[in-house]
Amino acid sequence: DQQVKQNSPSLSVQEGRISILNCDYTNSMFDYFLWYKKYPAEGPTFLISISSIKDKNEDGRFTVFLNKSAKHLSLHIVPSQPGDSAVYFCAASANNQGGKLIFGQGTELSVKP
Amino acid sequence: EPEVTQTPSHQVTQMGQEVILRCVPISNHLYFYWYRQILGQKVEFLVSFYNNEISEKSEIFDDQFSVERPDGSNFTLKIRSTKLEDSAMYFCASSELDLAPEAFFGQGTRLTVV
Repeated sequence: DQQVKQNSPSLSVQEGRISILNCDYTNSMFDYFLWYKKYPAEGPTFLISISSIKDKNEDGRFTVFLNKSAKHLSLHIVPSQPGDSAVYFCAASANNQGGKLIFGQGTELSVKP
Repeated sequence: EPEVTQTPSHQVTQMGQEVILRCVPISNHLYFYWYRQILGQKVEFLVSFYNNEISEKSEIFDDQFSVERPDGSNFTLKIRSTKLEDSAMYFCASSELDLAPEAFFGQGTRLTVV
């Protein structure tokens, strides 16, 4: 079941630069998309979300872009900080499925000082 | 800040034994979930629960699994007869609405079946 895919298992970025994490999906019924951050031995922490009626949502250093025609979303972090180093998961939801989230495999971001 | 709490943080059990994982969701949330993450794999949905009944479940959530909200605060996941392949991190989550499904996760219970 690969409905949500994050094709880059890892990403390394210099502090202060932009981090771009990518996510693709196949199910056209998905209408809500979320990004979570996860540290080892902790639960996922909600970061930012976007509804399918929008193409951009911004919250401080974090911006999520949605391209519905390409079934692609991305998370931009700018400027990147060492504390952003974690695994980032993309997740998607369809409104007829009781809030069920389908997760991607995750991308491990390393921000180097 | 309100948070989802899970107990225990780590549970070791023998194959074939029953385990109960416990969760206290955020108090004003209405939707409750269990997810799991096998080491090195992605986070997988197990079950969602609303209004005292299961609203959605995955293929993983077979007859060996059950969920319950025994009182106004706790939400439990029971695995009736554990198998080696049940070893994983189990995450409880809750959300306010299913139309805005920003689920908030607990810190997880590491289940090790030996």
